[in-house]
Amino acid sequence: EADIYQTPRYLVIGTGKKITLECSQTMGHDKMYWYQQDPGMELHLIHYSYGVNSTEKGDLSSESTVSRIRTEHFPLTLESARPSHTSQYLCASSAHRDRVVSGRSRTYNEQFFGPGTRLTVL
Amino acid sequence: KNQVEQSPQSLIILEGKNCTLQCNYTVSPFSNLRWYKQDTGRGPVSLTIMTFSENTKSNGRYTATLDADTKQSSLHITASQLSDSASYICVVSDRGSTLGRLYFGRGTQLTVWP
Repeated sequence: EADIYQTPRYLVIGTGKKITLECSQTMGHDKMYWYQQDPGMELHLIHYSYGVNSTEKGDLSSESTVSRIRTEHFPLTLESARPSHTSQYLCASSAHRDRVVSGRSRTYNEQFFGPGTRLTVL
Repeated sequence: KNQVEQSPQSLIILEGKNCTLQCNYTVSPFSNLRWYKQDTGRGPVSLTIMTFSENTKSNGRYTATLDADTKQSSLHITASQLSDSASYICVVSDRGSTLGRLYFGRGTQLTVWP
């Protein structure tokens, strides 16, 4: 099982509150990611980081912000939560893996996911 | 547009039975295809990963197949157990960037009844 943790697991807050979702990993991975997932829908990448002091926005526009001050820590912040932010937020980190397939070396990015934070904004 | 489509959307089977889940994709250039299992309220956990030169990959009772020519994959589960109840997500990675961007399907929700 991957060593990637998210807190809190569940959060119910009122509109306008500032919140921070925590994500930490103990595997020393440089790359980390935040995904948003609604029930029955695919995961959407909202933020990613290649390493310390590196953060980028993902495919899905999000009003959240992230920071990467330490390798193991990648928190996500919402300055003013709204009901439209209600969703599941999944954090992931990745490592490069090399495999030999049919005599050729293949490199791929294996992602490990945290348990997620279920956010409800009233 | 790079897409990953899964079918069926949901499936109910009896314990001990086999089932097959389908995944079609249009992601290009293709790098690899993964199947994840996601229990309710949890993060996805990797089951298998295949590159374009691999046709089949097994992990216990899970067997994934890949046809890179038709851009189709399947996940076969044999002798299903109650603990197999989960969402199974097909994920395809491209070779277009160092990020190795992942494209997620919406998943097949499998329910195994006793």
